[in-house]
Amino acid sequence: SQTIHQWPATLVQPVGSPLSLECTVEGTSNPNLYWYRQAAGRGLQLLFYSVGIGQISSEVPQNLSASRPQDRQFILSSKKLLLSDSGFYLCAWNEGHGVRYNSPLHFGNGTRLTVT
Amino acid sequence: DAKTTQPNSMESNEEEPVHLPCNHSTISGTDYIHWYRQLPSQGPEYVIHGLTSNVNNRMASLAIAEDRKSSTLILHRATLRDAAVYYCILRGWEYGNKLVFGAGTILRVKS
Repeated sequence: SQTIHQWPATLVQPVGSPLSLECTVEGTSNPNLYWYRQAAGRGLQLLFYSVGIGQISSEVPQNLSASRPQDRQFILSSKKLLLSDSGFYLCAWNEGHGVRYNSPLHFGNGTRLTVT
Repeated sequence: DAKTTQPNSMESNEEEPVHLPCNHSTISGTDYIHWYRQLPSQGPEYVIHGLTSNVNNRMASLAIAEDRKSSTLILHRATLRDAAVYYCILRGWEYGNKLVFGAGTILRVKS
Protein backbone atom coordinates (compact mmCIF):
# COMPACT_ATOMS: atom_id res chain seq x y z
CA SER A 1 0.00 0.00 0.00
CA GLN A 2 1.04 3.59 -0.49
CA THR A 3 2.27 5.76 2.33
CA ILE A 4 3.39 9.35 2.63
CA HIS A 5 5.98 10.54 5.11
CA GLN A 6 6.50 14.11 6.11
CA TRP A 7 8.97 15.48 8.63
CA PRO A 8 9.57 17.05 11.00
CA ALA A 9 6.19 17.19 12.74
CA THR A 10 6.95 20.50 14.44
CA LEU A 11 9.62 23.10 13.86
CA VAL A 12 10.52 26.39 15.49
CA GLN A 13 12.86 28.59 13.48
CA PRO A 14 14.08 32.17 13.90
CA VAL A 15 13.38 34.81 11.31
CA GLY A 16 16.01 34.82 8.60
CA SER A 17 17.01 31.18 9.04
CA PRO A 18 16.77 28.63 6.20
CA LEU A 19 14.10 25.97 5.90
CA SER A 20 13.98 22.49 4.46
CA LEU A 21 10.90 20.27 4.75
CA GLU A 22 10.94 16.86 3.18
CA CYS A 23 8.18 14.62 1.93
CA THR A 24 8.49 11.11 0.52
CA VAL A 25 5.94 8.73 -0.91
CA GLU A 26 6.24 4.95 -0.93
CA GLY A 27 4.41 2.29 -2.86
CA THR A 28 3.72 4.16 -6.07
CA SER A 29 5.62 5.56 -9.03
CA ASN A 30 5.44 8.88 -10.86
CA PRO A 31 2.97 10.45 -8.42
CA ASN A 32 1.78 14.02 -8.60
CA LEU A 33 3.11 15.82 -5.53
CA TYR A 34 1.79 18.91 -3.77
CA TRP A 35 2.73 21.37 -1.04
CA TYR A 36 -0.07 23.18 0.79
CA ARG A 37 0.06 25.70 3.61
CA GLN A 38 -2.58 26.50 6.19
CA ALA A 39 -2.06 29.64 8.23
CA ALA A 40 -3.62 29.73 11.69
CA GLY A 41 -7.41 29.84 11.38
CA ARG A 42 -7.23 30.02 7.61
CA GLY A 43 -7.91 27.75 4.67
CA LEU A 44 -5.57 25.51 2.72
CA GLN A 45 -3.48 27.28 0.12
CA LEU A 46 -1.75 25.39 -2.67
CA LEU A 47 1.91 26.46 -2.88
CA PHE A 48 3.53 24.12 -5.39
CA TYR A 49 2.75 21.01 -7.35
CA SER A 50 4.84 18.66 -9.46
CA VAL A 51 3.96 16.13 -12.12
CA GLY A 52 7.47 14.73 -12.47
CA ILE A 53 11.16 15.01 -11.53
CA GLY A 54 12.35 18.56 -11.90
CA GLN A 55 8.90 19.82 -12.93
CA ILE A 56 7.57 22.35 -10.42
CA SER A 57 4.61 24.70 -10.75
CA SER A 58 4.38 27.60 -8.34
CA GLU A 59 0.95 28.86 -7.39
CA VAL A 60 1.75 31.76 -5.11
CA PRO A 61 4.69 34.21 -5.30
CA GLN A 62 6.67 33.99 -2.09
CA ASN A 63 10.09 33.37 -0.64
CA LEU A 64 9.57 29.62 -0.69
CA SER A 65 10.75 27.19 -3.34
CA ALA A 66 10.19 23.52 -4.06
CA SER A 67 12.28 20.82 -5.66
CA ARG A 68 11.73 17.24 -6.73
CA PRO A 69 15.14 15.60 -6.96
CA GLN A 70 13.72 12.07 -7.10
CA ASP A 71 10.47 10.57 -8.31
CA ARG A 72 8.93 10.21 -4.85
CA GLN A 73 10.67 13.02 -2.99
CA PHE A 74 9.39 16.56 -2.68
CA ILE A 75 11.26 19.26 -0.76
CA LEU A 76 10.07 22.67 0.38
CA SER A 77 12.78 25.24 1.06
CA SER A 78 13.44 28.79 2.01
CA LYS A 79 16.70 30.71 2.20
CA LYS A 80 15.41 33.21 4.77
CA LEU A 81 12.22 32.66 6.73
CA LEU A 82 9.74 35.45 7.43
CA LEU A 83 7.28 35.66 10.31
CA SER A 84 4.50 35.26 7.77
CA ASP A 85 5.86 31.84 6.81
CA SER A 86 4.49 30.37 10.03
CA GLY A 87 1.79 27.80 9.43
CA PHE A 88 0.85 24.18 8.93
CA TYR A 89 2.61 22.72 5.88
CA LEU A 90 1.09 19.70 4.21
CA CYS A 91 2.46 17.44 1.53
CA ALA A 92 0.09 15.41 -0.62
CA TRP A 93 0.18 13.00 -3.54
CA ASN A 94 -2.14 11.42 -6.05
CA GLU A 95 -1.73 9.09 -8.95
CA GLY A 96 0.09 10.62 -11.87
CA HIS A 97 0.47 9.44 -15.45
CA GLY A 98 -1.63 12.26 -16.77
CA VAL A 99 -4.43 14.37 -15.35
CA ARG A 100 -7.03 12.30 -13.57
CA TYR A 101 -9.90 14.24 -12.04
CA ASN A 102 -11.18 11.22 -10.14
CA SER A 103 -7.85 10.55 -8.41
CA PRO A 104 -8.05 11.47 -4.71
CA LEU A 105 -5.27 13.35 -2.96
CA HIS A 106 -3.63 11.73 0.04
CA PHE A 107 -2.13 14.03 2.63
CA GLY A 108 0.70 13.63 5.09
CA ASN A 109 0.42 14.50 8.76
CA GLY A 110 1.91 17.94 8.23
CA THR A 111 4.66 20.09 9.72
CA ARG A 112 3.71 22.86 12.08
CA LEU A 113 6.22 25.66 11.53
CA THR A 114 6.58 28.57 13.92
CA VAL A 115 8.87 31.40 12.88
CA THR A 116 9.95 33.51 15.87
CA ASP B 1 -12.22 30.43 -6.31
CA ALA B 2 -13.45 27.00 -5.29
CA LYS B 3 -16.78 27.24 -7.23
CA THR B 4 -18.71 25.60 -4.40
CA THR B 5 -20.85 27.03 -1.63
CA GLN B 6 -21.20 25.36 1.75
CA PRO B 7 -22.71 26.47 5.07
CA ASN B 8 -20.12 27.82 7.46
CA SER B 9 -21.07 25.43 10.24
CA MET B 10 -23.52 22.72 11.22
CA GLU B 11 -24.30 20.88 14.40
CA SER B 12 -25.41 17.30 14.89
CA ASN B 13 -26.21 14.94 17.72
CA GLU B 14 -24.15 11.83 18.19
CA GLU B 15 -25.59 8.67 16.61
CA GLU B 16 -27.84 10.69 14.28
CA PRO B 17 -27.43 11.08 10.50
CA VAL B 18 -25.82 14.24 9.16
CA HIS B 19 -26.54 15.78 5.76
CA LEU B 20 -23.87 18.25 4.63
CA PRO B 21 -25.01 20.27 1.60
CA CYS B 22 -22.92 21.75 -1.19
CA ASN B 23 -24.02 23.97 -4.06
CA HIS B 24 -22.08 24.01 -7.30
CA SER B 25 -24.36 25.69 -9.80
CA THR B 26 -21.61 26.32 -12.39
CA ILE B 27 -20.40 22.73 -12.49
CA SER B 28 -19.36 21.53 -15.94
CA GLY B 29 -20.20 18.18 -17.43
CA THR B 30 -16.78 16.68 -16.70
CA ASP B 31 -16.27 18.03 -13.17
CA TYR B 32 -16.01 15.45 -10.41
CA ILE B 33 -17.39 16.27 -6.97
CA HIS B 34 -14.91 15.45 -4.22
CA TRP B 35 -15.34 15.58 -0.45
CA TYR B 36 -12.54 15.79 2.07
CA ARG B 37 -12.52 16.36 5.79
CA GLN B 38 -9.93 17.78 8.12
CA LEU B 39 -9.83 16.79 11.75
CA PRO B 40 -8.20 19.21 14.20
CA SER B 41 -4.42 19.42 13.79
CA GLN B 42 -4.38 16.87 10.98
CA GLY B 43 -4.08 16.92 7.21
CA PRO B 44 -7.21 16.60 5.07
CA GLU B 45 -8.59 13.11 4.54
CA TYR B 46 -10.33 11.96 1.37
CA VAL B 47 -13.93 10.96 2.02
CA ILE B 48 -15.69 10.25 -1.26
CA HIS B 49 -16.15 11.46 -4.83
CA GLY B 50 -18.66 11.10 -7.63
CA LEU B 51 -19.56 12.28 -11.10
CA THR B 52 -23.27 11.69 -11.75
CA SER B 53 -24.53 8.76 -9.72
CA ASN B 54 -24.87 8.47 -5.97
CA VAL B 55 -21.90 6.81 -4.30
CA ASN B 56 -21.42 4.86 -1.11
CA ASN B 57 -18.30 3.81 0.74
CA ARG B 58 -17.40 2.79 4.26
CA MET B 59 -17.14 6.39 5.42
CA ALA B 60 -20.14 8.10 3.87
CA SER B 61 -22.62 8.40 1.04
CA LEU B 62 -22.71 11.06 -1.65
CA ALA B 63 -26.05 12.07 -3.10
CA ILE B 64 -25.79 14.08 -6.33
CA ALA B 65 -28.75 16.05 -7.64
CA GLU B 66 -30.07 15.10 -11.04
CA ASP B 67 -28.95 18.44 -12.53
CA ARG B 68 -25.62 18.09 -10.68
CA LYS B 69 -25.88 21.64 -9.34
CA SER B 70 -25.82 20.43 -5.76
CA SER B 71 -24.74 17.44 -3.73
CA THR B 72 -25.05 16.17 -0.18
CA LEU B 73 -22.56 14.27 1.90
CA ILE B 74 -24.34 11.89 4.25
CA LEU B 75 -22.80 10.55 7.43
CA HIS B 76 -25.18 7.81 8.49
CA ARG B 77 -24.41 7.88 12.21
CA ALA B 78 -22.33 10.77 13.45
CA THR B 79 -19.77 10.11 16.12
CA LEU B 80 -17.64 12.54 18.08
CA ARG B 81 -14.74 11.57 15.83
CA ASP B 82 -16.62 12.96 12.84
CA ALA B 83 -16.26 16.50 14.16
CA ALA B 84 -14.16 18.17 11.48
CA VAL B 85 -14.15 20.68 8.64
CA TYR B 86 -15.77 19.17 5.55
CA TYR B 87 -14.74 20.43 2.14
CA CYS B 88 -16.71 20.02 -1.07
CA ILE B 89 -14.44 20.49 -4.09
CA LEU B 90 -14.88 20.30 -7.84
CA ARG B 91 -12.14 18.76 -9.93
CA GLY B 92 -12.05 19.20 -13.67
CA TRP B 93 -10.19 20.66 -16.60
CA GLU B 94 -10.22 24.20 -15.19
CA TYR B 95 -8.02 23.20 -12.29
CA GLY B 96 -6.12 20.34 -13.90
CA ASN B 97 -4.07 18.51 -11.31
CA LYS B 98 -4.82 20.99 -8.55
CA LEU B 99 -7.22 20.58 -5.66
CA VAL B 100 -8.52 24.01 -4.62
CA PHE B 101 -10.00 24.18 -1.12
CA GLY B 102 -12.69 26.60 -0.03
CA ALA B 103 -13.69 27.42 3.54
CA GLY B 104 -15.68 24.24 4.11
CA THR B 105 -18.29 23.43 6.74
CA ILE B 106 -17.35 23.06 10.38
CA LEU B 107 -19.29 20.09 11.74
CA ARG B 108 -19.82 19.98 15.49
CA VAL B 109 -21.11 16.76 17.02
CA LYS B 110 -22.83 16.87 20.41
CA SER B 111 -22.87 13.92 22.78
